[in-house]
Amino acid sequence: EVQLVESGGGLVQPGGSLRLSCAASGFIFSSYEMNWVRQAPGKGLEWAAYISTRGSTMYYADSVKGRFTISRDNAKNSLYLQMNSLRAEDTAVYYCARTPPGSGWYPSYFDSWGQGTLVTVSS
Amino acid sequence: SYVLTQPPSVSVAPGQTARITCGGNNIGSKSVHWYQQKPGQAPVLVVYDASDRPSGIPERCSGSNSGNTATLTISRVEAGDEADYYCQVWDSSSDHVVFGGGTKLTVL
Repeated sequence: EVQLVESGGGLVQPGGSLRLSCAASGFIFSSYEMNWVRQAPGKGLEWAAYISTRGSTMYYADSVKGRFTISRDNAKNSLYLQMNSLRAEDTAVYYCARTPPGSGWYPSYFDSWGQGTLVTVSS
Repeated sequence: SYVLTQPPSVSVAPGQTARITCGGNNIGSKSVHWYQQKPGQAPVLVVYDASDRPSGIPERCSGSNSGNTATLTISRVEAGDEADYYCQVWDSSSDHVVFGGGTKLTVL
C-alpha cells in the first residue's frame, strides 16, 4: 500500500523557518517525481514545489520561490521542504503528492497524496 | 499566467448527472486532471489526462476536454459524491501547476 506521511508542521513566527518531511513507503520512491501542494484554511489547492526523481530538476510556485527549497533523499525514501522567511500567508496544510513516472520531467498530475501537516505562521 | 475557472458550486439531486466545468484559454490543448476532496481529507485523483480513471474510481466518473472547456461528469450521483472538485493542468509556458478554484458539489 502506498503511504505518504508528512511531519514537521507547527506554529512558527513570521520570518521564521520550518522543515517539513514526507516519509514514503509501499512503492519505489526513487522512480517517482514528488511535489508539495498546500491548502490555506478554507481555501483551494495551491501547488508549491516539484522535484524530479534524482533531484536534478525543481520547479517552484512564484509565491514560494526564493524562500522554499524542495529536496529528497532516495536512500531514506524521504521528501523535504525547507521553508524560510515564513509569512502569515504561508499558513496552510502542506501535502506531499506523487507524480507517476513517464510525465516528461514535470508535475503532470498527482496520483497519491499524504494526509498533510499543518503549518501556522503567527506571532 | 494561466487561469482555470470553475463554478463555485453545483447542486444535483441523487440519481441525476452532475457536470462540473473548468474553463481555460485553449484548455483543449492541455492535459486536464480532476481531484475530489471531502472535508478533512486529502484530495483524491478521480480523472487524469482528461478522461482516464485511476483504478478504484467508478465508471460513473468521466471527463472530456475540448476548446476552452473541460468537464467532469458524474452520473447517477450519490450522497457520497458530495465534495469539492478541482481541475488541474501543467502550464508549460510558465513551468507552473495550475489548479482551478474548486467546485463544491452538493447532493440535494
